[in-house]
Amino acid sequence: DAGVIQSPRHEVTEMGQEVTLRCKPISGHNSLFWYRQTMMRGLELLIYFNNNVPIDDSGMPEDRFSAKMPNASFSTLKIQPSEPRDSAVYFCASSLGGAPRTDTQYFGPGTRLTVL
Amino acid sequence: DAKTTQPNSMESNEEEPVHLPCNHSTISGTDYIHWYRQLPSQGPEYVIHGLTSNVNNRMASLAIAEDRKSSTLILHRATLRDAAVYYCILRDGGGGADGLTFGKGTHLIIQP
Repeated sequence: DAGVIQSPRHEVTEMGQEVTLRCKPISGHNSLFWYRQTMMRGLELLIYFNNNVPIDDSGMPEDRFSAKMPNASFSTLKIQPSEPRDSAVYFCASSLGGAPRTDTQYFGPGTRLTVL
Repeated sequence: DAKTTQPNSMESNEEEPVHLPCNHSTISGTDYIHWYRQLPSQGPEYVIHGLTSNVNNRMASLAIAEDRKSSTLILHRATLRDAAVYYCILRDGGGGADGLTFGKGTHLIIQP
């Protein structure tokens, strides 16, 4: 399996622009997670989906952030409008789901976002 | 998820064993102990997990104290490729989020 695929790997944009990050989970996985990593805050969960349905979006910073999962093979994280403080590495992860205590998450390589 | 405490950094020599400690004094009876690591410029990757008994896999061993208030991740023979940040995470899955709660982790430095 190719693992979790994220695109783009690097994104540089200007403040105020819309940014869309993409994720393809591992085939057969039912849960998908979006995380953000910064030097100041470390790794933090933004939102996760089970069977394409958003379950917990309490980590989404504000209304400028939105995430969708239209099908089991694809998810997007959108920031509109982007701000310099959104600069971070965004990771997507997937797992089989169903057993949170023992479930293993598989992470993608991340998208490094820079907002100028 | 219950809180864990890890040293900020540790240093070891290549080809020697490494013991990475984690304290979790408020662990509940149903919490599993998970370890992930993050190599430079990569996403985190799963290492090992356990509940009460010690666990072994191809990457590492996990030693869990009898009272479960602490655990130790053991890399039996460290290589330069093991230099990473290691995260100890408790997971209860008890109605809370299924996401992982990462602390600051331990930055492991391997000297050649």
